[in-house]
Amino acid sequence: AQSVAQPEDQVNVAEGNPLTVKCTYSVSGNPYLFWYVQYPNRGLQFLLKYITGDNLVKGSYGFEAEFNKSQTSFHLKKPSALVSDSALYFCAVRDINNNDMRFGAGTRLTVKP
Amino acid sequence: NAGVMQNPRHLVRRRGQEARLRCSPMKGHSHVYWYRQLPEEGLKFMVYLQKENIIDESGMPKERFSAEFPKEGPSILRIQQVVRGDSAAYFCASSTAGQHNQPQHFGDGTRLSIL
Repeated sequence: AQSVAQPEDQVNVAEGNPLTVKCTYSVSGNPYLFWYVQYPNRGLQFLLKYITGDNLVKGSYGFEAEFNKSQTSFHLKKPSALVSDSALYFCAVRDINNNDMRFGAGTRLTVKP
Repeated sequence: NAGVMQNPRHLVRRRGQEARLRCSPMKGHSHVYWYRQLPEEGLKFMVYLQKENIIDESGMPKERFSAEFPKEGPSILRIQQVVRGDSAAYFCASSTAGQHNQPQHFGDGTRLSIL
């Protein structure tokens, strides 16, 4: 069965600095990988996905993520953080043969002015 | 707004009562997923449904919980004889045709509180 680990509960960065939110995964086959963002009292919003092809995936709001097969990682990055990026971020993985999507426990990103 | 609609947004029940949570998927989506989220935790998969069919209910508790997605109308997650431990946010997501490489679109959730 697939699983996802987000090793950091919390990430703090200063506005304007680059940010990284880490994610590692485990699947038996080829993975489909996703990042979602959750704002208070809202559902999850899709940011980006990796299916196949280029390892660097660009998504919404200036976010990008790099798929690294050898390290089984899919870290979320942004070159210059905004205060409005402060939210809860979830990494998710889906095996191509499986119905359910497994989510990480989430990482709370706080961007300070 | 053509997004995933969940209602009610907040639901308060006393122990032993029934809770019914509704989800209308995005227009054109025929696949619905239900998740549970405890405070400051990730999402736990509960059930995956298509119209009139339960495809995967491996995440559903064996007792008191049931889900349906009838031919007409919203998907319903039903919790009978609620207990305090059922307090959580319940999210519904929908997608097209069960394609595993497509993102799921989420509603804003129903926050269930058990007194």
